[in-house]
Amino acid sequence: SYELTQPPSVSVSPGQTARITCSGDALPNQRAYWYQQKPGQAPVLVIYKDRERPSGIPERFSGSSSGTTVTLTISGVQAEDEADYYCQSADSSATYYVFGTGTKVTVL
Amino acid sequence: EVQLVQSGPEVKKPGESLKISCKGSGYRFSIYWIGWVRQMPGKGLEWMGIIYPADSDTRYSPSFQGQVTISADKSISTAYLQWSSLKASDTAMYYCARLATNVGYFDYWGQGTLATVSS
Repeated sequence: SYELTQPPSVSVSPGQTARITCSGDALPNQRAYWYQQKPGQAPVLVIYKDRERPSGIPERFSGSSSGTTVTLTISGVQAEDEADYYCQSADSSATYYVFGTGTKVTVL
Repeated sequence: EVQLVQSGPEVKKPGESLKISCKGSGYRFSIYWIGWVRQMPGKGLEWMGIIYPADSDTRYSPSFQGQVTISADKSISTAYLQWSSLKASDTAMYYCARLATNVGYFDYWGQGTLATVSS
């Protein structure tokens, strides 16, 4: 079945920029979404349609897309951004969706 | 206010059956897809499947097809996830979530139901 691959972990100092990639063969033709999940909590959407930000999500969160890779960028990382991040998208025929493998962001 | 309220934690033995629920409120339940997401202990999110309550159209991830059954009762605004014969590997947190209209992301989530399967 379809898979989306993310790096297991990203470490960043406060105020620096964190970039999280998500790779999948169908990404050139399917929208991607990004969720943030903190321990013991349900996920929260931070980016939709590759690069759109829901209301209430800080401007430091942005998304981009290039070929088979989409990227979540957190500019000016804050301690509260420490969490697990997951991309989500559909298979090539949009029959079902999958989540990426997940990336743990650690703020040093 | 949109809310998804899930049933409480469950402890079951291998081979037993289980049905957990997710009740929606604050919106027109029947016309939004509802999905289920598994999160095994210390692991990532897994997209299991979705159901359209208005006509019970259901889509499963290949990984979960035949392993679980997703259903809904639109008259009581409730979706269900069920197993006929549990395995220890079904131990996980299960989230229900609403699919935003005409797009593929979940915009509202339930609080999660922890299912523990142990002999």
